[in-house]
Amino acid sequence: EDKVVQSPLSLVVHEGDTVTLNCSYEVTNFRSLLWYKQEKKAPTFLFMLTSSGIEKKSGRLSSILDKKELFSILNITATQTGDSAVYLCASSQGGGQNFVFGPGTRLSVLP
Amino acid sequence: DTGVSQNPRHKITKRGQNVTFRCDPISEHNRLYWYRQTLGQGPEFLTYFQNEAQLEKSRLLSDRFSAERPKGSFSTLEIQRTEQGDSAMYLCAWREQGIYFGPGTRLTVT
Repeated sequence: EDKVVQSPLSLVVHEGDTVTLNCSYEVTNFRSLLWYKQEKKAPTFLFMLTSSGIEKKSGRLSSILDKKELFSILNITATQTGDSAVYLCASSQGGGQNFVFGPGTRLSVLP
Repeated sequence: DTGVSQNPRHKITKRGQNVTFRCDPISEHNRLYWYRQTLGQGPEFLTYFQNEAQLEKSRLLSDRFSAERPKGSFSTLEIQRTEQGDSAMYLCAWREQGIYFGPGTRLTVT
């Protein structure tokens, strides 16, 4: 059965810290991996990764995919309290038309 | 600012009642998805449409659930004989580079 695992499930840091969130996947016919940020509403799209080793970057957030080892990481540098959220990753399955999500990592950034 | 609107935003219903949710694309989206998210979990895929054709349904979509997309525009998701386990956020989504979610309909079954 296709699955996506995220670690840690929760994380508490202080402002200014750098965090690394992990996502591993086991799916059939993998094509792409997605990252989302979810506050008290619907998930907001961050990145789509399709190729190994190519970093995607947006401000203090960056992400990279390793298709050989079947994982991705999301890095957040110089964290701010506004980064507090649940971060979800999702892998395409069965040819890429739908996605299976992990349980998310709950990040809390303390002032 | 999202590419779809969803109505209602909140729905409270009694167990055994039928409910229907609606998703209206703000602009044309060929691919429209329905996901369900329960507390503490990631979204779960339910079904998706390519224009008016329903191309895939999850095993999660029991025979109490039905979705339609007449004329390839808005979509509806109906749940018959609701159960307490149906309480969740129901998310409509569209596909561009990734999957983008609408604001969702929060269903509470009492």
